[in-house]
Amino acid sequence: EVQVVESGGGLVHPGGSLRLSCAASGFTVSTNYLTWVRQAPGKGLEWVSVTHSGGTTYYADSVKGRFTISRDISKNTLYLQMNSLRAEDTAVYYCARGGGSMGVWGQGTTVTVSS
Amino acid sequence: DIQMTQSPSTLSASVGDRVTITCRASQSVSSWLAWYQQKPGKAPKRLIYDASSLESGVPSRFSGSGSGTEFTLTINSLQPDDFATYYCQQYNSYSYTFGQGTKLEIK
Repeated sequence: EVQVVESGGGLVHPGGSLRLSCAASGFTVSTNYLTWVRQAPGKGLEWVSVTHSGGTTYYADSVKGRFTISRDISKNTLYLQMNSLRAEDTAVYYCARGGGSMGVWGQGTTVTVSS
Repeated sequence: DIQMTQSPSTLSASVGDRVTITCRASQSVSSWLAWYQQKPGKAPKRLIYDASSLESGVPSRFSGSGSGTEFTLTINSLQPDDFATYYCQQYNSYSYTFGQGTKLEIK
């Protein structure tokens, strides 16, 4: 079965860092486009970042320079390193397979940025 | 960035109704448009991709149409399971963007 499972969310102070993980099964991260999408409490979906199978990456302006998307092929896992976190980064973060539209989504991991 | 605007924001309908949700892009996205359904506390589920292609396993009462800047999602004969929030998403150019969502409520 093709699936992705996120982990690593939690409570962090403003200015802090957190690394989210997305473990893939049923497919290989090295040959797929993978995307992070987030959803602030009570709000809509926001596209965050994508990594292409060839390694090219793109970011939303709201996270550019603070977040880094990467893959570990040996662990078949996608990551999102989040630095300089702000209160407005508080959200459920979803990992999804696909680089345009996304057909497989994880259950999400919750990040709360608060003092 | 391309702005995506959905209308209406909220839609009240009854089981058996036919409903249409509209998504407008601030500039052409060709046919690079997807529709998702999301229920409370759950991840989004893709219904339509490339504007009109039905995701495998999605009931045929769902259909998508449009190109360029105007798109529609139509649900024929609403079922109780269809009451949810629907989002459009463009993937023509980065940063990819979602519409603000349309909440489909039971009348």
